[in-house]
Amino acid sequence: TQLLEQSPQFLSIQEGENLTVYCNSSSVFSSLQWYRQEPGEGPVLLVTVVTGGEVKKLKRLTFQFGDARKDSSLHITAAQPGDTGLYLCAGEGAVEYGNKLVFGAGTILRVKS
Amino acid sequence: KAGVTQTPRYLIKTRGQQVTLSCSPISGHRSVSWYQQTPGQGLQFLFEYFSETQRNKGNFPGRFSGRQFSNSRSEMNVSTLELGDSALYLCASSLLGAHYGYTFGSGTRLTVV
Repeated sequence: TQLLEQSPQFLSIQEGENLTVYCNSSSVFSSLQWYRQEPGEGPVLLVTVVTGGEVKKLKRLTFQFGDARKDSSLHITAAQPGDTGLYLCAGEGAVEYGNKLVFGAGTILRVKS
Repeated sequence: KAGVTQTPRYLIKTRGQQVTLSCSPISGHRSVSWYQQTPGQGLQFLFEYFSETQRNKGNFPGRFSGRQFSNSRSEMNVSTLELGDSALYLCASSLLGAHYGYTFGSGTRLTVV
């Protein structure tokens, strides 16, 4: 059982399309992080959100932390082939998990040109 | 500044053997965490060290152990290797802990035959 549920598991879209990836949990987190991982490499931190309702933008990527600090979303506008990769959400500070950083199963994104 | 360095990058071992993996965190980072990544289970937390003390531990058998040295470098050891231990082992470091996110190394790909 994944502590953080990500959806969809796999997404294949054309260049220029928009997409949203969701990350949900029944636990309350102190912070929620998004990472992107390419094959054979470690995850790279994209953003950390710490305040309920917080919205952060990173170029074409928009991240939102739910008001109750249990969920988050990642929206990509006008996706490009370079956005292809595994997107992982991770939550930290939940009492149930002993303040460990726990990860969702990930969303594999493929952007075709 | 140099990133998180993990050695070796690839390793092939036989069942029953033991293995030691090494991680050099970013200079100044005192928190080092280890994760196991497999296609079926995703990223699973192994343990976190902070200033040479184990601060958190995941749900792995006692065959998995680790330590951190005074220069913050960390090692993890797996004894009596099993086929199921084949995975990408990732090390991550941060200044104080997981709250604001980790910097990951490229990982050590362990194959047990």
